[in-house]
Amino acid sequence: ETGVTQTPRHLVMGMTNKKSLKCEQHLGHNAMYWYKQSAKKPLELMFVYNFKEQTENNSVPSRFSPECPNSSHLFLHLHTLQPEDSALYLCASSHDISPLFFGSGTQLSVL
Amino acid sequence: KNEVEQSPQNLTAQEGEFITINCSYSVGISALHWLQQHPGGGIVSLFMLSSGKKKHGRLIATINIQEKHSSLHITASHPRDSAVYICAVRSGNQFYFGTGTSLTVIP
Repeated sequence: ETGVTQTPRHLVMGMTNKKSLKCEQHLGHNAMYWYKQSAKKPLELMFVYNFKEQTENNSVPSRFSPECPNSSHLFLHLHTLQPEDSALYLCASSHDISPLFFGSGTQLSVL
Repeated sequence: KNEVEQSPQNLTAQEGEFITINCSYSVGISALHWLQQHPGGGIVSLFMLSSGKKKHGRLIATINIQEKHSSLHITASHPRDSAVYICAVRSGNQFYFGTGTSLTVIP
């Protein structure tokens, strides 16, 4: 248990569905991240929030929409996804120079 | 070219063998991390180091800042060590990740 909780663990959705991924941490960390992990590729940074403010958006398509209502919660809203968006989506948090603490990930399949 | 390169990509070892995974990076860093990812996705931080060497149980991590190189060693490997090992570096506010080394330890 890393202290970062992600739900759901698995998600199957059609291309016309709308779903949300949730991440929660109570470690007192000020930064939260969404990463995408595809097979045989390095982790890809999608979004970074620092003290609830988005500080990074790595050219992510608008069909992915992040939301950070407070420094403990992070959402990733999904709509009209494509099959190539199927991947493992990982949430992480950190504080200043601390290591990244990762959630268990959501394995997403888009049909 | 990725900022972090790992080798080998895949590794199979007999139980009890000494294992080494290598990581080279091309950016200035404040810290290097070794991460472990088991099937099912969860990633756990094994080490964070900025110089020298750290040891935790059967795991040893070393870093050479001048050569921009780090190694992760596993002594007396065990099947439960089977996982993907990922090298990551922190450069400013950015984290850069290697593609991972998939380790399988056979009983």
